[in-house]
Amino acid sequence: GNSVTQMEGPVTLSEEAFLTINCTYTATGYPSLFWYVQYPGEGLQLLLKATKADDKGSNKGFEATYRKETTSFHLEKGSVQVSDSAVYFCALSHGDFGNEKLTFGTGTRLTIIP
Amino acid sequence: NAGVTQTPKFRVLKTGQSMTLLCAQDMNHEYMYWYRQDPGMGLRLIHYSVGEGTTAKGEVPDGYNVSRLKKQNFLLGLESAAPSQTSVYFCASSYPPTRRPYEQYFGPGTRLTVT
Repeated sequence: GNSVTQMEGPVTLSEEAFLTINCTYTATGYPSLFWYVQYPGEGLQLLLKATKADDKGSNKGFEATYRKETTSFHLEKGSVQVSDSAVYFCALSHGDFGNEKLTFGTGTRLTIIP
Repeated sequence: NAGVTQTPKFRVLKTGQSMTLLCAQDMNHEYMYWYRQDPGMGLRLIHYSVGEGTTAKGEVPDGYNVSRLKKQNFLLGLESAAPSQTSVYFCASSYPPTRRPYEQYFGPGTRLTVT
């Protein structure tokens, strides 16, 4: 089946530290991969995505590269800020074209300390 | 443009009571979804709809019913609430997945506690 495995949280970092949140997936075919972010008290927002192998998604200083050989889509940011504190979800889309669904990982809570 | 809104934000029910969660979107999206979020489980799809008047089961549909009488609204019903339905419920909407980029837009969530 299709599944997403995320790095267990919570993760606590100091401001300006380097961030990596690991995500690996199991899927048939060639899924699209996503990172969603959930700020406190809000719904999920799409952070970035990649639709094929070797694609790099980027947004707000975050990056993730679709690695088919390692079935991974790790999220990175070079210098985190307090405002990056949130829960991050890795997800993949699966299903026939035009009938895709999303499968989410369990989420990783990130806290940035000033 | 409010995006996806959910009503109510919080609710406490006793076992056996019923309630309806309302989701509304103003983006003219055809597809709408209901998820539940539980600790250590991520988001799981309960039911979804590909258009007005249609509904379909997701991964965990038991104990829930849904209706999509209007394109902009998607209702989730619990006929007889159980403690196992204590969760945070998220609604989402999207264009059909054939339209790229495929992205789901989420509401802020409803926190439901069943005692």
